Amino acid sequence: DIQMTQSPSSLSASVGDRVTITCRASQSISNYLSWYQQKPGKAPKLLIYGASSLQSGVPSRFSGSGSGTDFTLIISSVQPEDFATYYCQQSYSTPEGTFGPGTKVDIK
Amino acid sequence: QVQLQQSGPGLVKPSQTLSLTCAISGDSVSSNSVTWNWIRQSPSRGLEWLGRTYYRSKWYSDYAVSVRGRITINPDTSMNHFSLQLNSVTPEDTAVYFCARVPEVLDDAFDIWGQGTRVTVSS
Repeated sequence: DIQMTQSPSSLSASVGDRVTITCRASQSISNYLSWYQQKPGKAPKLLIYGASSLQSGVPSRFSGSGSGTDFTLIISSVQPEDFATYYCQQSYSTPEGTFGPGTKVDIK
Repeated sequence: QVQLQQSGPGLVKPSQTLSLTCAISGDSVSSNSVTWNWIRQSPSRGLEWLGRTYYRSKWYSDYAVSVRGRITINPDTSMNHFSLQLNSVTPEDTAVYFCARVPEVLDDAFDIWGQGTRVTVSS
């Protein structure tokens, strides 16, 4: 099984800060990596797929990069509506793609 | 605009069957370019993919190893929905259950999600 880890597990940021979240796979997954945002009581929302492709309708302040085992999600200037939990997910081992444990971004 | 609407009970007794339905609007359960999935989320297991159904000239289903043997996912073309049945549930099956779509063009990412159903397994 491919295991996904994320760091940090949580972070505090101020509006306007640049936020960086890292995701690591236990083996190479090429670029089969997606990022999701989840707010309390809601379903996850797709932000990034294919490691760096922005999903339609997602603000351009979100960006993704990486390949192989190491990936990054960047929020260039965090906005009040961005405070949420972020998950990475690998789809290399489809159909049983695994999710990371999440990174909670809250207000400093 | 594609939407998924979940329905089903929020409380199931141990050893009984958990049954949920995901109604599709704006797309077809028979589409040959997407898969229809169930995922659950709990504090102990995080987000966990459970299984999927999809049509490629015929119907296919795949299931996670963790629930294989207890799970069935079925499409219903007349109602344009798909369902989840999980048998012999235990308190460890307590979770929020989501249905979700995966289009082939998005590298197997889940692009549309249902609203979630909190299911508690308790007597």
